[in-house]
Amino acid sequence: EAQVTQNPRYLITVTGKKLTVTCSQNMNHEYMSWYRQDPGLGLRQIYYSMNVEVTDKGDVPEGYKVSRKEKRNFPLILESPSPNQTSLYFCASRSSGETQYFGPGTRLLVL
Amino acid sequence: RKEVEQDPGPFNVPEGATVAFNCTYSNSASQSFFWYRQDCRKEPKLLMSVYSSGNEDGRFTAQLNRASQYISLLIRDSKLSDSATYLCVVNFYNDMRFGAGTRLTVKP
Repeated sequence: EAQVTQNPRYLITVTGKKLTVTCSQNMNHEYMSWYRQDPGLGLRQIYYSMNVEVTDKGDVPEGYKVSRKEKRNFPLILESPSPNQTSLYFCASRSSGETQYFGPGTRLLVL
Repeated sequence: RKEVEQDPGPFNVPEGATVAFNCTYSNSASQSFFWYRQDCRKEPKLLMSVYSSGNEDGRFTAQLNRASQYISLLIRDSKLSDSATYLCVVNFYNDMRFGAGTRLTVKP
């Protein structure tokens, strides 16, 4: 089954404790992205990647890092989480066509 | 001004009603357009692409007006299962921009 998976689905952490949210897709897509979704603001892109070892900042990259060492994986790293990073996070992938496939989301609460 | 703006909603309609959502975008060079559906606490999923000539998929009709820079989604004969948030998406050279979404609730 074609899918995008994210882990963990839910996470409660404390300020400053490094965390990683994993994302994996099995569709051999070139493009992968991370978004955060906050009430009234819609989906905002954090980082995106057009292929292995190619990443670039989206609209709200501050406080986040990513890597793309393999085509299927695109982890999101929060080196020192802060409460303003409490949000719902989605990973997405697509081929050079335009339909985006989203992961199930990760709900993060930073205390 | 936001790059993609949608009707603020929420829309509360009875079953069987026809409801329309509009979305405006600021980049006149945008290349492609979509409507996504997002159920509560779930990921967005593609509902339909929007083509220049307009297109229909069952009870759903999408229209594009490039001159006025807006797209629309019409839902006919609303079902309870249509209750969701509808996201307008505009693409410019692989930069996909999402609207904040319009919440629809269809009531019995």
